[in-house]
Amino acid sequence: KQEVTQIPAALSVPEGENLVLNCSFTDSAIYNLQWFRQDPGKGLTSLLLIQSSQREQTSGRLNASLDKSSGRSTLYIAASQPGDSATYLCAALNSGNTPLVFGKGTRLSVIA
Amino acid sequence: GAGVSQSPRYKVAKRGQDVALRCDPISGHVSLFWYQQALGQGPEFLTYFQNEAQLDKSGLPSDRFFAERPEGSVSTLKIQRTQQEDSAVYLCASSLVVDEQFFGPGTRLTVL
Repeated sequence: KQEVTQIPAALSVPEGENLVLNCSFTDSAIYNLQWFRQDPGKGLTSLLLIQSSQREQTSGRLNASLDKSSGRSTLYIAASQPGDSATYLCAALNSGNTPLVFGKGTRLSVIA
Repeated sequence: GAGVSQSPRYKVAKRGQDVALRCDPISGHVSLFWYQQALGQGPEFLTYFQNEAQLDKSGLPSDRFFAERPEGSVSTLKIQRTQQEDSAVYLCASSLVVDEQFFGPGTRLTVL
């Protein structure tokens, strides 16, 4: 059974700092891995999706990497801004017709 | 085009009441998922539809939970005789058959 863990649970950084959020998964036979952002009281916004054959994906100041052999993914946020404050969730998809398995998220606060 | 929509956005129910939560997926999306997100946790899978067929309902926590998608588009999640432990955000997601899942804003259910 796939299990996803995110460390740290919470993180507070000053504005402008580069930061890394970590995600680990127990079953390396994943189909893809998604990173989401969730603002308080809101739904999930997809940030990046990495297919199992890919090593990384980039969108603006965000870069997500995937290492299937070690069961790890990281989300790198460059030059953080207060508007980046949110909860970041990673989720693994094991095959096409299966549900996403989520971590508990990392709550990020960027202090101006 | 329009994203996934859910209604109501907020629902307060007295313990023992029945509730119905609606999800309108993105037009043309074959797959539809329901997730439950407790406070401070990541979303957890409830059930999955491909068109009108409910292919997996292994995540439904009890027989008080029932979901349907009779015409392969709109889906309804029904909870009978609500209990306090049912209080959570209920998220709906849709996707093409094997693809990125797009989430709605969720319905926040509070059972008093």
